[in-house]
Amino acid sequence: AQSVTQPDIHITVSEGASLELRCNYSYGATPYLFWYVQSPGQGLQLLLKYFSGDTLVQGIKGFEAEFKRSQSSFNLRKPSVHWSDAAEYFCAVGAGNNDMRFGAGTRLTVKP
Amino acid sequence: EADIYQTPRYLVIGTGKKITLECSQTMGHDKMYWYQQDPGMELHLIHYSYGVNSTEKGDLSSESTVSRIRTEHFPLTLESARPSHTSQYLCASSDLETQYFGPGTRLLVL
Repeated sequence: AQSVTQPDIHITVSEGASLELRCNYSYGATPYLFWYVQSPGQGLQLLLKYFSGDTLVQGIKGFEAEFKRSQSSFNLRKPSVHWSDAAEYFCAVGAGNNDMRFGAGTRLTVKP
Repeated sequence: EADIYQTPRYLVIGTGKKITLECSQTMGHDKMYWYQQDPGMELHLIHYSYGVNSTEKGDLSSESTVSRIRTEHFPLTLESARPSHTSQYLCASSDLETQYFGPGTRLLVL
């Protein structure tokens, strides 16, 4: 069965610092991988997705993620964090159907 | 990106009341989903639909019911709300691979 692990429940970074959020997955076939962001009181917004091809994918708001099959990872990165990036981030694996699995989320706090 | 609408955004209601959470999408997606989200937890799928007159229960047992009479509309109903139903409910629709989410309904049952 597929599953997603986000090892970090909460991360604090200073504004302007780089960011990496970790995501490990377990999936029986070639996975479709997603990162979503959720601001307080809001739904999930799609940041980026990986289906195939180039293992480094670019998303909105300056985010990127790298798929590493050997490590079963799909880590999210941003070179310079802005205060508006403070939110909850969810990694997900699946094919967009009822078998989508989400991680428990990583809450990002940005220090001024 | 899909346009997904959910109403109400916030709802406080007493135990035993019947409630319906509305979800509509304008993208013509056949697939729609309802998730339950609690703080610090992953999203749990409670219902999904692959098209008109098609509804299925998800992984998480739920006392709610859904209907899909029109492609764009996927309401969720609780016949008798209880405090254990307090949660955030997220509606989503998808194209072939990607799910797009509405803003959510935060429900508090007293």
